[in-house]
Amino acid sequence: AQKITQTQPGMFVQEKEAVTLDCTYDTSDQSYGLFWYKQPSSGEMIFLIYQGSYDEQNATEGRYSLNFQKARKSANLVISASQLGDSAMYFCAMRGYNQGGKLIFGQGTELSVKP
Amino acid sequence: DVKVTQSSRYLVKRTGEKVFLECVQDMDHENMFWYRQDPGLGLRLIYFSYDVKMKEKGDIPEGYSVSREKKERFSLILESASTNQTSMYLCASTGEAAPGPGNTIYFGEGSWLTVV
Repeated sequence: AQKITQTQPGMFVQEKEAVTLDCTYDTSDQSYGLFWYKQPSSGEMIFLIYQGSYDEQNATEGRYSLNFQKARKSANLVISASQLGDSAMYFCAMRGYNQGGKLIFGQGTELSVKP
Repeated sequence: DVKVTQSSRYLVKRTGEKVFLECVQDMDHENMFWYRQDPGLGLRLIYFSYDVKMKEKGDIPEGYSVSREKKERFSLILESASTNQTSMYLCASTGEAAPGPGNTIYFGEGSWLTVV
């Protein structure tokens, strides 16, 4: 069975500092993809970054990077130089090749950026 | 502009009522998903479908059923609504069968269901 775990219900970070949001996963698939989404208070889901299980390098997208440690089954999101607009819920998600394309999410982390 | 449209944004239903939540996408996607979102629990997969008339149970299918008679429409059905089904329901779709760097998943705006 697939599972995503986000152990930080809430996080605070000072503006302009970096923050790491934790994500661990469990799957029996050899091939899978990991995603991070941002959900502001408006409710829309905004795609941030993707990491494939066979990608050797950590994914980066602007201020977002994914710290992928395959052996530990972790896929932590790092946001550099936090901005007030980064305050939102953040979800880690996984999609496997062998599960009919099943897409599952973690519990989410609520990030608050302080001025 | 591509879209996933959920028919109702806010609904209030009575216990025992049959409830239909509709999701329509205009991108000819094979894969569609229904989630419920609750504080502290994140998004939990109820059902998903990878083709017309095909469906797979997610992690919390109890109390729900789905229908996919046409490619563009994926309906979530609460046969007999209960108060513990009060939640926000989110629909998603994607055209890719498997994850990849270009894997774009589109979400609806969500449907807030209150069962009284």
